[in-house]
Amino acid sequence: NAGVTQTPKFQVLKTGQSMTLQCAQDMNHEYMSWYRQDPGMGLRLIHYSVGAGITDQGEVPNGYNVSRSTTEDFPLRLLSAAPSQTSVYFCASSYSTLAAYEQYFGPGTRLTVT
Amino acid sequence: GQNIDQPTEMTATEGAIVQINCTYQTSGFNGLFWYQQHAGEAPTFLSYNVLDGLEEKGRFSSFLSRSKGYSYLLLKELQMKDSASYLCAVRPIGAGNMLTFGGGTRLMVKP
Repeated sequence: NAGVTQTPKFQVLKTGQSMTLQCAQDMNHEYMSWYRQDPGMGLRLIHYSVGAGITDQGEVPNGYNVSRSTTEDFPLRLLSAAPSQTSVYFCASSYSTLAAYEQYFGPGTRLTVT
Repeated sequence: GQNIDQPTEMTATEGAIVQINCTYQTSGFNGLFWYQQHAGEAPTFLSYNVLDGLEEKGRFSSFLSRSKGYSYLLLKELQMKDSASYLCAVRPIGAGNMLTFGGGTRLMVKP
């Protein structure tokens, strides 16, 4: 299994540009989520999905869109990039039962918006 | 909501024991988690407490007291490779498996 994969690893955008961060998992996990990590602030939840076709907002959803058309993929779209979105973005997945407590994180995408 | 506090940085000596504390105020949760994150890498799962008490896993142990809003991660026989950030997180009720994280504690292990 590849686990959770993310592309690209690094990205530089200009203010106002749009782009999609890709996330895929091959573990047949129902739950997938996107976090951003900024220095001193830990990981903050952007959006999450409990299954194909179902998404919901997390703590910091503004400026981001998601969709979940398949179990495997959960892309994150930046609609109009802003310098405040400079961060490291992690995708994570897990099984749906509460007994399956471990979340698996992808390697991250380091985004800089100038 | 959730408010999770951890010390920002700690330093310890190789071979020693270190305790990383986590305090929280939350309206309800069904699990407290500890993750390890080496610089430039993804977080990896360390431990999970749902009931009060101590969970031991090799050199790492985690403790939870719900009544006191308090958890700690205990690392024994410290090794240089334990230098990393340690993230405390809760799983709020009604949020599926989503996690709310504290800011993390950066641990530096010195020879």
